[in-house]
Amino acid sequence: NAGVMQNPRHLVRRRGQEARLRCSPMKGHSHVYWYRQLPEEGLKFMVYLQKENIIDESGMPKERFSAEFPKEGPSILRIQQVVRGDSAAYFCASSPPGLADYEQYFGPGTRLTVT
Amino acid sequence: QQQVKQSPQSLIVQKGGISIINCAYENTAFDYFPWYQQFPGKGPALLIAIRPDVSEKKEGRFTISFNKSAKQFSLHIMDSQPGDSATYFCAATLRNTGFQKLVFGTGTRLLVSP
Repeated sequence: NAGVMQNPRHLVRRRGQEARLRCSPMKGHSHVYWYRQLPEEGLKFMVYLQKENIIDESGMPKERFSAEFPKEGPSILRIQQVVRGDSAAYFCASSPPGLADYEQYFGPGTRLTVT
Repeated sequence: QQQVKQSPQSLIVQKGGISIINCAYENTAFDYFPWYQQFPGKGPALLIAIRPDVSEKKEGRFTISFNKSAKQFSLHIMDSQPGDSATYFCAATLRNTGFQKLVFGTGTRLLVSP
């Protein structure tokens, strides 16, 4: 059973471009979380999604950031018109459906660099 | 109130020694406290977790001590090994919302010298 997959692993974008980060959860997992890790900081919750639904996006910046988890395919975190402050590692995690007791399994992350 | 404060920022321990990392929280509604281990270039992996109805949990060389009245919890790594060199994050969450919205500490970079 493959783990959580994220791609690309590294992404370089110029200011003003769009960044698309993909996350394929573990097989059987229908819950996806996105976290952002700024340099020398802990991970910060961004958004929690279930298939076709955004459940909690309280950690998402109000502008330029959006997330989706379609019925088919990976979850996508999209950042429009990137700025240097968006440079960070973005991790997704997945968990099985059901109770909140289930562990979140993290992917290896996408390291975004904005030049 | 949603913060989790973690210390120290970095730690050097000799092989065979005890590594101790401390965390403190404010939100008394938190009811699940996991510790994550992260190696360079990898995502965090769950190491051990505790609920506030117990004061200690041990798994192999890793022990969580939990002090509910002080709102503090700590990770002890006994007989530390060079392979334990990694960044450790404490976290806290509310499980009664139906999902785990983890609040992470800022991390401790542990180096175990041979």
